[in-house]
Amino acid sequence: AQSVTQLGSHVSVSEGALVLLRCNYSSSVPPYLFWYVQYPNQGLQLLLKYTTGATLVKGINGFEAEFKKSETSFHLTKPSAHMSDAAEYFCAVSSTSGTYKYIFGTGTRLKVLA
Amino acid sequence: NAGVMQNPRHLVRRRGQEARLRCSPMKGHSHVYWYRQLPEEGLKFMVYLQKENIIDESGMPKERFSAEFPKEGPSILRIQQVVRGDSAAYFCASSPPTFYEQYFGPGTRLTVT
Repeated sequence: AQSVTQLGSHVSVSEGALVLLRCNYSSSVPPYLFWYVQYPNQGLQLLLKYTTGATLVKGINGFEAEFKKSETSFHLTKPSAHMSDAAEYFCAVSSTSGTYKYIFGTGTRLKVLA
Repeated sequence: NAGVMQNPRHLVRRRGQEARLRCSPMKGHSHVYWYRQLPEEGLKFMVYLQKENIIDESGMPKERFSAEFPKEGPSILRIQQVVRGDSAAYFCASSPPTFYEQYFGPGTRLTVT
């Protein structure tokens, strides 16, 4: 069975500081991995995804994530936080075959301090 | 190409009533997924459908919940005799055949009073 753990339900950073949101997964088969952002009362927007190939993945709004198989991690980073980055972030895993249903983490709420 | 559409965006029901949530997938997408987000929680998979078939309903509550995706028209998630615990945001996602990436709709926020 697959699972996702997001460490830290709330993270606060100062504007301009590094953003690091942690995601660890469990999967018996090579997974597909995703990061989504959700603004209040809105749907989910895809930030980036890992399927195969290069393990460092670049996404929208300056975010990137690195797939580390040995650590079963897919942490999300951004060098310099902006006020508009304040939102909830979800990591998700899906299988590479079968139903492709997503298993989501419980989310990390990012707060950016002026 | 319009995105995934869900309606209504907000739905208020009294306990015991029925709720019908609709999802129109993106053009060319024949796979639909439903997820539920309870307050302050992540999204939980409910059901995966293809046209006229339920493929995986392992996340659906055993009673009162049903889903369909007819040959024509939107996918429907139906909740009978709603209870306060059904209050949540329900998201639909669609994908084309044999493709892993899902595109999410804006969600329907159900409030049971």
